[in-house]
Amino acid sequence: DVKVTQSSRYLVKRTGEKVFLECVQDMDHENMFWYRQDPGLGLRLIYFSYDVKMKEKGDIPEGYSVSREKKERFSLILESASTNQTSMYLCATLRENYGYTFGSGTRLTVV
Amino acid sequence: GQNIDQPTEMTATEGAIVQINCTYQTSGFNGLFWYQQHAGEAPTFLSYNVLDGLEEKGRFSSFLSRSKGYSYLLLKELQMKDSASYLCALEGGSYIPTFGRGTSLIVHP
Repeated sequence: DVKVTQSSRYLVKRTGEKVFLECVQDMDHENMFWYRQDPGLGLRLIYFSYDVKMKEKGDIPEGYSVSREKKERFSLILESASTNQTSMYLCATLRENYGYTFGSGTRLTVV
Repeated sequence: GQNIDQPTEMTATEGAIVQINCTYQTSGFNGLFWYQQHAGEAPTFLSYNVLDGLEEKGRFSSFLSRSKGYSYLLLKELQMKDSASYLCALEGGSYIPTFGRGTSLIVHP
């Protein structure tokens, strides 16, 4: 089974802090994704990556950046956290025609 | 675009059958996914339909009609543990799924 591991289940950060959300997968998948999920809005794609050092903007990239220095690790960075970035963040890998495998999620609260 | 519509919430009784619908407007897609998501947890894969018709997996079945722009997830012999959100997602040409907002299913005794 593919394992997608997000380093933190719950995080509380202060407004203006730089926040790193880490995601590691163990199945050598090329495609990795970051979503946020909010009530009534569903899953929204922030950034994705098809390969090392490669990144593409999703639907809502503003206020975020990403890093993919190694194939197994895809990091989401909030340069200066704001309260409207309080959300559930989900990392996923994708295998074509088999869909996503998600990490367990990080619930981030910005105060 | 790929507008995807699902009912926001449904309720059903333990032991019953429930059908969760998903309609969409799109110019083309590879296939359609259904995911289950329990509260506070990550979505998990349920089914993937490429061709029209019904795919059955135990208590869960998924149906797709490309000509009608319509899919449904059928849950039989409902159990309390089936209370969850059910997400419909279309897989586009780049293999990136686009998700609907999900249907929250509440199963009561």
